[in-house]
Amino acid sequence: GAVVSQHPSRVICKSGTSVKIECRSLDFQATTMFWYRQFPKKSLMLMATSNEGSKATYEQGVEKDKFLINHASLTLSTLTVTSAHPEDSSFYICSAAGGARLDEQYFGPGTRLTVT
Amino acid sequence: GESVGLHLPTLSVQEGDNSIINCAYSNSASDYFIWYKQESGKGPQFIIDIRSNMDKRQGQRVTVLLNKTVKHLSLQIAATQPGDSAVYFCAEGGGADGLTFGKGTHLIIQP
Repeated sequence: GAVVSQHPSRVICKSGTSVKIECRSLDFQATTMFWYRQFPKKSLMLMATSNEGSKATYEQGVEKDKFLINHASLTLSTLTVTSAHPEDSSFYICSAAGGARLDEQYFGPGTRLTVT
Repeated sequence: GESVGLHLPTLSVQEGDNSIINCAYSNSASDYFIWYKQESGKGPQFIIDIRSNMDKRQGQRVTVLLNKTVKHLSLQIAATQPGDSAVYFCAEGGGADGLTFGKGTHLIIQP
């Protein structure tokens, strides 16, 4: 199956700093990428949907200036958590879709962000 | 709505027994359903999917059943093994609308 990678797998940063998470589709062109956030013992919550070369579409309640998403190529999307705070600590998961069906997604392994 | 701090439902089964994990979905227009397995600290792993024109689909040791009348989806795992311990999520999709995830069930395999 299609492979999606994320980097880093875990990151610790200090409060007030920014951190960037990369999501790459390794063997297919991802026209659409998704960013999810997952709290402990909870389900995945969609944060935003990004299409290559376009601005991301954010879900209600997700601050676009806080969570900057860039989808500059068909194989790379980045999520930057700006001015991170401890409440931003979470597990961030990306997924990628290569076709018209946006429900056919391939998931990355996730990134554990801890803000101290 | 879901209470803050509410843990995932837990299903505990003996190793070697069969397990059934249930999921209620919400959108009658959804036509694609997927089960994912998520181990601690990892991303969701695809297990099996089913389209709305089917009511049953089998894989290796897993079977998914779809009841569109009551909007219910189940995952059956036969002869459970320790490696089956994980959180299992159902997800529904409708093509252009992306995925909506269920709340998840924590499956524990007892030795």
